[in-house]
Amino acid sequence: SAVISQKPSRDICQRGTSLTIQCQVDSQVTMMFWYRQQPGQSLTLIATANQGSEATYESGFVIDKFPISRPNLTFSTLTVSNMSPEDSSIYLCSARTGVGGEQYFGPGTRLTVT
Amino acid sequence: GQQVMQIPQYQHVQEGEDFTTYCNSSTTLSNIQWYKQRPGGHPVFLIQLVKSGEVKKQKRLTFQFGEAKKNSSLHITATQTTDVGTYFCAAGNQFYFGTGTSLTVIP
Repeated sequence: SAVISQKPSRDICQRGTSLTIQCQVDSQVTMMFWYRQQPGQSLTLIATANQGSEATYESGFVIDKFPISRPNLTFSTLTVSNMSPEDSSIYLCSARTGVGGEQYFGPGTRLTVT
Repeated sequence: GQQVMQIPQYQHVQEGEDFTTYCNSSTTLSNIQWYKQRPGGHPVFLIQLVKSGEVKKQKRLTFQFGEAKKNSSLHITATQTTDVGTYFCAAGNQFYFGTGTSLTVIP
């Protein structure tokens, strides 16, 4: 199994600013992902964080808005850039040990943009 | 991303009643996973199904993968208040999440 921590757990930010969310896994994992979840909604995959290379973004998400880093096998960051109120959401980091393996989630970062 | 639909969206049951949620895809799935998310919590992995027609049980929970690997179900027998939460299926290599079924158990 893997234990995932995220920082910050929550934040209130002003529009136009940027926030970087950190995700730390307690063991080396093959794959890391970033999701967004609106209250009462399902999870939407933002991107796959690739170690040592550019992240793979899903349709509707771009690198300029959501730059992602993954410098090693246990750590990743997601930046929400030039925020607007529409970016208010819960951002979840997840990790998997293999292509078909069990997926673990961090506790999430609750972001409110005013 | 892959489209995975779940029904029903909401389900209210009396404690002790059974509950089933269904997950449907228009394409064949290599595997499917089920997650439970308690209110205010994050998704927690329950099970993974890989084989056509596979059935797995965890105490009162029964998971099934369709023969065509395009649908799956989660059945809870004799629900308890601890079963409250939203149940998601997830499919594809990136595990695209279904729309979820929110379960309310009335004591």
